Amino acid sequence: DTAVSQTPKYLVTQMGNDKSIKCEQNLGHDTMYWYKQDSKKFLKIMFSYNNKELIINETVPNRFSPKSPDKAHLNLHINSLELGDSAVYFCASSQGRSGRNTIYFGEGSWLTVV
Amino acid sequence: GNSVTQMEGPVTLSEEAFLTINCTYTATGYPSLFWYVQYPGEGLQLLLKATKADDKGSNKGFEATYRKETTSFHLEKGSVQVSDSAVYFCALTFNQAGTALIFGKGTTLSVSS
Repeated sequence: DTAVSQTPKYLVTQMGNDKSIKCEQNLGHDTMYWYKQDSKKFLKIMFSYNNKELIINETVPNRFSPKSPDKAHLNLHINSLELGDSAVYFCASSQGRSGRNTIYFGEGSWLTVV
Repeated sequence: GNSVTQMEGPVTLSEEAFLTINCTYTATGYPSLFWYVQYPGEGLQLLLKATKADDKGSNKGFEATYRKETTSFHLEKGSVQVSDSAVYFCALTFNQAGTALIFGKGTTLSVSS
């Protein structure tokens, strides 16, 4: 069983569209994250939720909206997609709010905006 | 601010060569340090970690020692294999709520037989 699973793995879409990436973890963790990896492979935190509460909200365009229906799921919705949104988006999870706890990553969702 | 600096890649080695990937950090406080590995087309996997000064993390023949005096966490392996070819990320975080991993820019390792 995949611990942190994301769908879709690959997504090609046109500028201006709205799309969602879904994430689920079966590790029983209470904290989930979205990271963005750009074309140079640089990774940066976007959001984090702990027990459905938003605890990290980095400076990202408000076209990006995370939603956590329960602690096992954290979805990412992106409105009005732009070329610069093309990246790999990683979902991750950990137990507890402490940053020291090991974070487990999903396999990534490759988003290409054309 | 808090940041991680890794040596620029790519690093190209022959099989069985010794590997060092340098990592230094700047942090306000006492971070935990991590190495993550990303194999081609895959997500990130935790390779090893150290949570306090002088701790040594080790896994799969890789090791790194948390050096507070030099603010470093260099990754080493005595004999690399072709299967070690991947991108390696050094990262830090803090033992407090609402913190996330801060990554270096990654170092690509390519090992040839």
